Amino acid sequence: EAEVAQSPRYKITEKSQAVAFWCDPISGHATLYWYRQILGQGPELLVQFQDESVVDDSQLPKDRFSAERLKGVDSTLKIQPAELGDSAMYLCASSFGQGVDTQYFGPGTRLTVL
Amino acid sequence: GENVEQHPSTLSVQEGDSAVIKCTYSDSASNYFPWYKQELGKRPQLIIDIRSNVGEKKDQRIAVTLNKTAKHFSLHITETQPEDSAVYFCAASMGNAGNMLTFGGGTRLMVKP
Repeated sequence: EAEVAQSPRYKITEKSQAVAFWCDPISGHATLYWYRQILGQGPELLVQFQDESVVDDSQLPKDRFSAERLKGVDSTLKIQPAELGDSAMYLCASSFGQGVDTQYFGPGTRLTVL
Repeated sequence: GENVEQHPSTLSVQEGDSAVIKCTYSDSASNYFPWYKQELGKRPQLIIDIRSNVGEKKDQRIAVTLNKTAKHFSLHITETQPEDSAVYFCAASMGNAGNMLTFGGGTRLMVKP
């Protein structure tokens, strides 16, 4: 069964450093989502792509976060510079279409900022 | 924007008992309500979902009910088993072009053998 892939699984960095996370959605899935999940809370949407276009990034802290999906397949989320409050699980999800389609989640990248 | 509240935050039941988790949402335009199960250290996985044109949906031991008037929906798990122990998240979406999910805060379910 196809799954969403993410790497790295764990990342430890010092504040003010740059970090990047990678996501490879299920093949054929046009919609890709990045979520942030703080320990003990539900996932919070950061950005959504439809193919290579951003559909919504209203919750993305654009002064330090950026996301791209250049060829409409895999995606990269970057934080520069990282802050202590960025410590969280970063989850990627994908769905076939834009409407009411099941979102399948990847295993996540757990970021710890020291 | 949409706001989803989930209760209780923790729930402990004896194996074989039923468990009920409740969520309320704020935006009457929401029409898609999935439930995800997240085991420790694993990815969230969809266990059941419901659309606003139905009031109840069942899948073996799991059922979800929706009350659009009151803007709340609930997850029911019958005959609980130790492997049901996990964190459960409800979510709501308007199911439009974005299908952006707003999640509740989660319920940690512990099933004691």
